[in-house]
Amino acid sequence: DQQVKQNSPSLSVQEGRISILNCDYTNSMFDYFLWYKKYPAEGPTFLISISSIKDKNEDGRFTVFLNKSAKHLSLHIVPSQPGDSAVYFCAASEETSGSRLTFGEGTQLTVNP
Amino acid sequence: NAGVMQNPRHLVRRRGQEARLRCSPMKGHSHVYWYRQLPEEGLKFMVYLQKENIIDESGMPKERFSAEFPKEGPSILRIQQVVRGDSAAYFCASSPSLRGNQPQHFGDGTRLSIL
Repeated sequence: DQQVKQNSPSLSVQEGRISILNCDYTNSMFDYFLWYKKYPAEGPTFLISISSIKDKNEDGRFTVFLNKSAKHLSLHIVPSQPGDSAVYFCAASEETSGSRLTFGEGTQLTVNP
Repeated sequence: NAGVMQNPRHLVRRRGQEARLRCSPMKGHSHVYWYRQLPEEGLKFMVYLQKENIIDESGMPKERFSAEFPKEGPSILRIQQVVRGDSAAYFCASSPSLRGNQPQHFGDGTRLSIL
């Protein structure tokens, strides 16, 4: 039962352009959503999060959008940089689960110079 | 380094041996989580602990796996009688509290290989 899905295993964009990573979820009890970036042989690094009471959160080049009716969230990176090349994981939690995170399968982003 | 510390980074065991993975949370963090990542998959929740208490072990296999977070010292994930299918990357995360939706911060993981 995959409650969080990232349907694109990979994404390739040119440096300076926008990267859009997508994530869908099925559990309507999720109320907190996060994006993590992961390099090989390292742990996930927290990027940005959004609470279900909001529909947008912005931090520098990163913006997360939440569409609760569609159970969809996306991460926008603009402008994209070669150093952004990594695997990006979407994760979600519900208050009643004590912050246990449910992760998507990840999307490999490659930013070409 | 004030981040989440995991050791060892790599661990090789033969089938039937025991594996012990250690995690020291970030300073000031009292909540510890363990996740497992199999090849080509996302991270899967295993267990959530606070000091001296297991809060949620719903993701933990029923046999051979155990976890603790003692009053003093790191959190330990213990796997007894390891099998080939236990080969994976095991990540620990910590957070300061449940209030206000605090993000979890991860260590660099322990890569467990079973011969």
